[in-house]
Amino acid sequence: EAGVTQFPSHSVIEKGQTVTLRCDPISGHDNLYWYRRVMGKEIKFLLHFVKESKQDESGMPNNRFLAERTGGTYSTLKVQPAELEDSGVYFCASSQEGTSGSIYEQYFGPGTRLTVT
Amino acid sequence: AQKITQTQPGMFVQEKEAVTLDCTYDTSDPSYGLFWYKQPSSGEMIFLIYQGSYDQQNATEGRYSLNFQKARKSANLVISASQLGDSAMYFCAMREGNSGGYQKVTFGTGTKLQVIP
Repeated sequence: EAGVTQFPSHSVIEKGQTVTLRCDPISGHDNLYWYRRVMGKEIKFLLHFVKESKQDESGMPNNRFLAERTGGTYSTLKVQPAELEDSGVYFCASSQEGTSGSIYEQYFGPGTRLTVT
Repeated sequence: AQKITQTQPGMFVQEKEAVTLDCTYDTSDPSYGLFWYKQPSSGEMIFLIYQGSYDQQNATEGRYSLNFQKARKSANLVISASQLGDSAMYFCAMREGNSGGYQKVTFGTGTKLQVIP
């Protein structure tokens, strides 16, 4: 079974440009999450999709970030316009739809390293 | 207040010895899950072990075990017989709530483990 995949693995862009990150979750996983780790800091939650719906986007830093999951399969995270402080590693994770009382583990992708210069 | 606290920014361990990585957490939710992830220098996040708040026994996965002390709100990771390949960043994380509901994962700041030959 294929794991969570992310594209690109690295991206270097200039301040003010736009970048779109893609995440393909494990097939059949309804839950998809985006996280970000800025250099030297902890990994922080950005948002959570259940199928195509945004369940929680409380971690999105500002309106320069736009996440979509059309059709409930893969997701994209667009940063427009990018700023220097957006540099970091963006992780995507997916998990199965759980049943009451159980908690399913999240499987992480390899991350996309974004550098804004 | 920090939800996940990892007080050891860096640790050394001699090859073949055991090492304990500390993690304490804070939650008022009776249902939660605790995770440990490994992040080698290549950057990907590798799931190691999971402990549910209602699990009676400590989780074990090969050389990894989770010392779960619920009353103290601690979930330390024990790695037995350390190997050079264990050198990596280790993150403790928590998910609050039942599956199917709110599933945001909160991460600690990580502990960098270096295994010495």
